[in-house]
Amino acid sequence: EDQVTQSPEALRLQEGESSSLNCSYTVSGLRGLFWYRQDPGKGPEFLFTLYSAGEEKEKERLKATLTKKESFLHITAPKPEDSATYLCARGIREKLTFGTGTRLTIIP
Amino acid sequence: DGGITQSPKYLFRKEGQNVTLSCEQNLNHDAMYWYRQDPGQGLRLIYYSQIVNDFQKGDIAEGYSVSREKKESFPLTVTSAQKNPTAFYLCASSITGGGNVLTFGAGSRLTVL
Repeated sequence: EDQVTQSPEALRLQEGESSSLNCSYTVSGLRGLFWYRQDPGKGPEFLFTLYSAGEEKEKERLKATLTKKESFLHITAPKPEDSATYLCARGIREKLTFGTGTRLTIIP
Repeated sequence: DGGITQSPKYLFRKEGQNVTLSCEQNLNHDAMYWYRQDPGQGLRLIYYSQIVNDFQKGDIAEGYSVSREKKESFPLTVTSAQKNPTAFYLCASSITGGGNVLTFGAGSRLTVL
């Protein structure tokens, strides 16, 4: 069964304290690894897509990386506005399978 | 601006009633999806459609029905057969199915009283 596992479930950081979120998955017919940000009560917002091991993408304080069986979302010097739930998903055939997310809280 | 519009944002239903959630997109996307989100669980796929007049069951289709009569519209009906319908429902679309970025609507929160 295709599975996407995210860790930790929740993470509290001080403003400016860098860290990483993890997303691991079973590899079969991988068609992209996706990262989304979701604010409470809203729909997820697309951040990154990664397709090949070794690929990296950056956006402001976020950088996503991909290996053969996991992806990391690195957050550098986070600000309170980075607080959100971060979801990863992998593409398989015609749909995406999502992890349960990491709830990130940045404390001023 | 292009996007996905879901309505209503909040909906209350009595047990035994069917309810239909609306999803409209003006992105000219071919594929559309319905996901359900519960606390502590990932998004779970209910139904998806890659082309007009065709749709497929996702992982948790029991108790739900959909139609795709127009490219822009993909309504979801939550029937009385759905045992635990209280949840946050998300509609999404993509250019084509498989390996493409999903654009999500703002969601509809259904509460069964």
